[in-house]
Amino acid sequence: GESVGLHLPTLSVQEGDNSIINCAYSNSASDYFIWYKQESGKGPQFIIDIRSNMDKRQGQRVTVLLNKTVKHLSLQIAATQPGDSAVYFCAENSMDSSYKLIFGSGTRLLVRP
Amino acid sequence: EAGVVQSPRYKIIEKKQPVAFWCNPISGHNTLYWYLQNLGQGPELLIRYENEEAVDDSQLPKDRFSAERLKGVDSTLKIQPAELGDSAVYLCASSLGGGTPDTQYFGPGTRLTVL
Repeated sequence: GESVGLHLPTLSVQEGDNSIINCAYSNSASDYFIWYKQESGKGPQFIIDIRSNMDKRQGQRVTVLLNKTVKHLSLQIAATQPGDSAVYFCAENSMDSSYKLIFGSGTRLLVRP
Repeated sequence: EAGVVQSPRYKIIEKKQPVAFWCNPISGHNTLYWYLQNLGQGPELLIRYENEEAVDDSQLPKDRFSAERLKGVDSTLKIQPAELGDSAVYLCASSLGGGTPDTQYFGPGTRLTVL
């Protein structure tokens, strides 16, 4: 399948290491945030979400951190695996945008074996 | 449970030709979205349906794009006539609707190439 994001920022990590993908969001009124993973030739896949009344949420091998003061979101992936290689997008959602998802620019994660 | 289904997966047409994309959302999902994704960018919303009603079509280029969701389930997005700049991936997503937050689940997309 054709790659999505040929000119995206790229994070290269060694298999087994932890990965941190960062995202700056634009709307201070955003109250819901989602991380999506997109593999080549596929649609975005939901990974984890967080509401604005939280600053941290953990899932299986993934953690999302939210810093509303500086409008920053991060996705941490523990023990990164080759199957984690993909493009990762953050998305924000707010009542004043009629809850329309606004996607950030993606980051390509490459996992070295 | 089946995810969002889209067809065709790939479509190649010549400019000025019409094209249509079909989407079947996750069963029980009342809200359906069509997005456009250009290479290297995140998806951008074209239109959002709540059941059969288009509640946000502000980003849909209405001179050439149209969409319908007649029975509140499947949806079709049409472009007529297609232009070279329409080459992109067209994604369909669905969500339960009726509250917030409302997680959207995406289909695999249709990759359109206009020659």
